[in-house]
Amino acid sequence: NAGVMQNPRHLVRRRGQEARLRCSPMKGHSHVYWYRQLPEEGLKFMVYLQKENIIDESGMPKERFSAEFPKEGPSILRIQQVVRGDSAAYFCASSLAVTDTQYFGPGTRLTVL
Amino acid sequence: DQQVKQNSPSLSVQEGRISILNCDYTNSMFDYFLWYKKYPAEGPTFLISISSIKDKNEDGRFTVFLNKSAKHLSLHIVPSQPGDSAVYFCAASATGSYQLTFGKGTKLSVIP
Repeated sequence: NAGVMQNPRHLVRRRGQEARLRCSPMKGHSHVYWYRQLPEEGLKFMVYLQKENIIDESGMPKERFSAEFPKEGPSILRIQQVVRGDSAAYFCASSLAVTDTQYFGPGTRLTVL
Repeated sequence: DQQVKQNSPSLSVQEGRISILNCDYTNSMFDYFLWYKKYPAEGPTFLISISSIKDKNEDGRFTVFLNKSAKHLSLHIVPSQPGDSAVYFCAASATGSYQLTFGKGTKLSVIP
């Protein structure tokens, strides 16, 4: 009964370092979405990926952020040269088909010192 | 510009009574709405959804009502239980779109 898995659950980085967040979708799901939740805010869409393809990255900052979903392995959200404003909870969701219900992982809480 | 608004940051209800959580939206393209429940340090859990072709959807203790003309939806929980205490997020999407637009959430506290 494995749901969406994310790791690490907590990540602390100093300004200028890189953060790598991993997401394994539910079994059988090939659609992955990343959302970010800033303090006291709702979740905001960042990027939608299918295996080996970025379908929509319109919600992702143009610089320092990148995402991938390789043929084998988890989806990765990568943040280079982190700044304090990147501190947030990052949630990954997956779905069976593109318009099906999205199921969320537990999130990674990134703290930038 | 917030397209999905949950104007009550918090709500307290006595156990056994009805909880009513409200959500308003501004984007007339939205035609599919979802409620997620979130406990601290966990991810959002899907609760119930409604399509714009309906005005009501029920699942056990949870009922969602949609008023398209008012661009308003509400989640009713009856009877409320202490385990329902969580943050509830309203989310919306448009036909063919995978992007969910979330409100800021309402923290529900059910008092035993």
